[in-house]
Amino acid sequence: IQLTQSPSSLSASVGDRVTITCRASQGISSYLAWYQQKPGKAPKLLIYAASTLQSGVPSRFSGSGSGTDFTLTISSLQPEDFATYYCQQLNSYPPITFGQGTRLEIK
Amino acid sequence: EVQLVESGGGLVKPGRSLRLSCTASGFTFGDYAMSWFRQAPGKGLEWVGFIRSKAYGGTTEYAASVKGRFTISRDDSKSIAYLQMNSLKTEDTAVYYCTRGQLWPLAFAFDIWGQGTMVTVSS
Repeated sequence: IQLTQSPSSLSASVGDRVTITCRASQGISSYLAWYQQKPGKAPKLLIYAASTLQSGVPSRFSGSGSGTDFTLTISSLQPEDFATYYCQQLNSYPPITFGQGTRLEIK
Repeated sequence: EVQLVESGGGLVKPGRSLRLSCTASGFTFGDYAMSWFRQAPGKGLEWVGFIRSKAYGGTTEYAASVKGRFTISRDDSKSIAYLQMNSLKTEDTAVYYCTRGQLWPLAFAFDIWGQGTMVTVSS
């Protein structure tokens, strides 16, 4: 199953609302997770089951979708949110697959 | 503190072998699936493989790119997962991450990640 994220990169300002999209090549129910990765660091789980916020993750992050179309929304960007975001499908494996990533940069 | 620490990375020649270790602490290791991911320099994330907990048979799954060359194992008594890498290729050069698989009702994801260990395959 292929995952396509859009956009591949995004420039935004602190306080902006940002949405990243992940589209699956076939239906994956709600078996989708979102990760945040900062340079030189390991990825961090943000959301699982498409819309469930991982413990400790700020509530400005939210996820939605099912089937083939999913979104990650950051309601009000904070300086620490500038990073690369990946979606991951866990419906049908092997293989477990990722989107290509969305790099979120400061405008 | 729940933690995963990888070790064993380094520089190795093509065709040689290397074994990575992932030492867990702060949780009951045997209750969880463990997975390895990797990230080539400047590239995205790639799943390598995982091993299920003994409760789910302790079986393994691998990405096509490493199947037959890499082997994942676990020692629950020591809380360590291993990634044995044989017949290494230059394209295996990457940071390798060990992760914990968390299973919820109707959901599965990787909630704990190690800091990563760099493997460089070069002559």
